[in-house]
Amino acid sequence: GENVEQHPSTLSVQEGDSAVIKCTYSDSASNYFPWYKQELGKRPQLIIDIRSNVGEKKDQRIAVTLNKTAKHFSLHITETQPEDSAVYFCAASIFRNYGGSQGNLIFGKGTKLSVKP
Amino acid sequence: EPEVTQTPSHQVTQMGQEVILRCVPISNHLYFYWYRQILGQKVEFLVSFYNNEISEKSEIFDDQFSVERPDGSNFTLKIRSTKLEDSAMYFCASRNRLDTEAFFGQGTRLTVV
Repeated sequence: GENVEQHPSTLSVQEGDSAVIKCTYSDSASNYFPWYKQELGKRPQLIIDIRSNVGEKKDQRIAVTLNKTAKHFSLHITETQPEDSAVYFCAASIFRNYGGSQGNLIFGKGTKLSVKP
Repeated sequence: EPEVTQTPSHQVTQMGQEVILRCVPISNHLYFYWYRQILGQKVEFLVSFYNNEISEKSEIFDDQFSVERPDGSNFTLKIRSTKLEDSAMYFCASRNRLDTEAFFGQGTRLTVV
């Protein structure tokens, strides 16, 4: 089955710096890659996602890149702010429009991001 | 904004007891999931549910677990005989398409003593 590796496990940056979190996946059939932010004691919330037919996606200060050949995807946060401090999880899933996998998300182990003012 | 709601927020139970965790997915969603998160660890897939039946389940989802959608709105996870290692946060999630956001509920913290 799918396995997702995520690095680093902790990341500390100064406010205004950039943060990069990297994930690799094992199943070449995976075609949907979301990133979730989880604040302490709260639910995971989607911050950005990318499908396998796209190499890069950006939403304001957040961007995700995907390298299908290397089975690697990364989250980039620019101009970090203290409120970006949280645990970030990458995930991979397979969706097929005509049956088969029902898109269950396989998560990485998470990265605890701390942004120091 | 519609959201997935879960009850209770916290459940304490004795080892060996049955528990039922409840979820109300977003109303027009078709795909439903249960995940669990042991404290400080990653979110782990348990089971997916579509068209009134289980579509996939993980190795964690053994015979002690079952899911139901009894009335078209609620989605429940039952653990028949809880073990200490079942202590975790259990999240329900739903989505209307497989290539779009899965919305998570706020979770039920299960503590088995």
